This record gives sequence, C-alpha cells and structure tokens, in this order.
Amino acid sequence: EVQLVQSGAEVKKPGESLRISCKGSGYTFTSSWIGWVRQMPGKGLEWMGIIYPGDSDTRNNPSSQGQVTISADKSISTAYLQLSSLKASDTAMYYCVRLRGWLQSPFDYWGQGTLVTVSS
Amino acid sequence: DIQMTQSPSSLSASVGDRVTITCRPSQSISSYLDWYQQKPGKAPKLLIYAASGLQSGVPSRFSGSGSGTDFTLTISSLQPEDFATYYCQQSYSIPYTFGQGTKLEI
Repeated sequence: EVQLVQSGAEVKKPGESLRISCKGSGYTFTSSWIGWVRQMPGKGLEWMGIIYPGDSDTRNNPSSQGQVTISADKSISTAYLQLSSLKASDTAMYYCVRLRGWLQSPFDYWGQGTLVTVSS
Repeated sequence: DIQMTQSPSSLSASVGDRVTITCRPSQSISSYLDWYQQKPGKAPKLLIYAASGLQSGVPSRFSGSGSGTDFTLTISSLQPEDFATYYCQQSYSIPYTFGQGTKLEI
C-alpha cells in the first residue's frame, strides 16, 4: 500500500526557517515525482514544486522566489520541504503528493498534511 | 501561469441531484486536467485524471469530460458523502495550477 507520512505540526516565529519531511513507502521511491502543495487557512490549493528522487531533478513554482527548497534523501525514502524567512502568511497546511508517473501526471497519493503556524 | 477558473464557487444541492462543475483554463491544456475532492480536515483525493479517467475506487457516479479550455465534472446522483469541495488542476505546464474550488453544500 502506497503511503506518504509527513512530519508533525510546527510552530515557528517570523524570520525562522523550517524543514518538513515526507516519507514514502509501498512503492519505488526513486521512480516517482514527489511534490508539495500548500493550503492556507480556509483557502484553495497552491502547487509549490516537485522533485524526482531518482536524480534530484527539481521544478519549483517561480512564485516561491527562492524561499522554498525541495530536496530528497533516497536512502531513507524521504522528501523535504524547506521554508526560509518565514512570515505569518506562510501559516498553512502543507501536503506532500506523489505523481502517478512522469511530469503531467495526477497526484494520486497525498500525505496527511503538516500544519505550520508562524506567529510571534 | 495558466489560470484555472471554476464555476460555480459554491453550489447547494440535494441528495439524488445531478450536479455539474465547470473548469476553464486560460489557455488550452489538451486533456491534462485532474479533479480532486476535499472534505473538511482531510487531504484532497484524486477523483478524475486526464479529464475523463476514473481513479480506482472512485464511484462511477463521478465522471469528467472536456478538452482544451472547457472541462466538466459531473456527479450523476449526489450521495451524502459527496458534499465537499472540488478542485480542478492542470498538469499541462509548470507551475501546475488549481482552480479556486467549488464548495458543494446540502
């Protein structure tokens, strides 16, 4: 059974950085793109970027303007989302997703979400 | 970026109703259009991929159609568990973008 298990909720102060994780299991981790989707409170979904753990090929949403770093450690089947210079507006639920196949594939599995709260 | 416009933004319906949600991208995306359902406090779930493909395990009352710049999600006979928010998403070009969502209410 395919599973994406994310790290727990985080509370951070403005200006800090954080890294959240997403561990994949039940499939060949290095053969599927993993992505990140943000959902601010009461709002819609925003695609942040994706990584192919097999070779660490990464595609980011230009709107992140360098604040977002996506990485993966294939030895432990885990992808990471790093956010720097946090602002209150980064308060959101962050989901990792698996793409079914190559680029242009649907997000067929979702992690349970990691709630990030940024507050002074 | 490709803008995705869903309509309506919200919809009131009853059990047994037939419901259609529309998604219109700002440019042609061929059939690279997926639909997701999200219930409160839960992660979204894939319903329809590539405009009309039914994801495994999804009831057949859900269907999708369209190509290019005009897509629809249809629920043929609403069930109580279908009351949720629905999102379309294009995977034609990066950055992938979502519609603003359609909240389906009783």
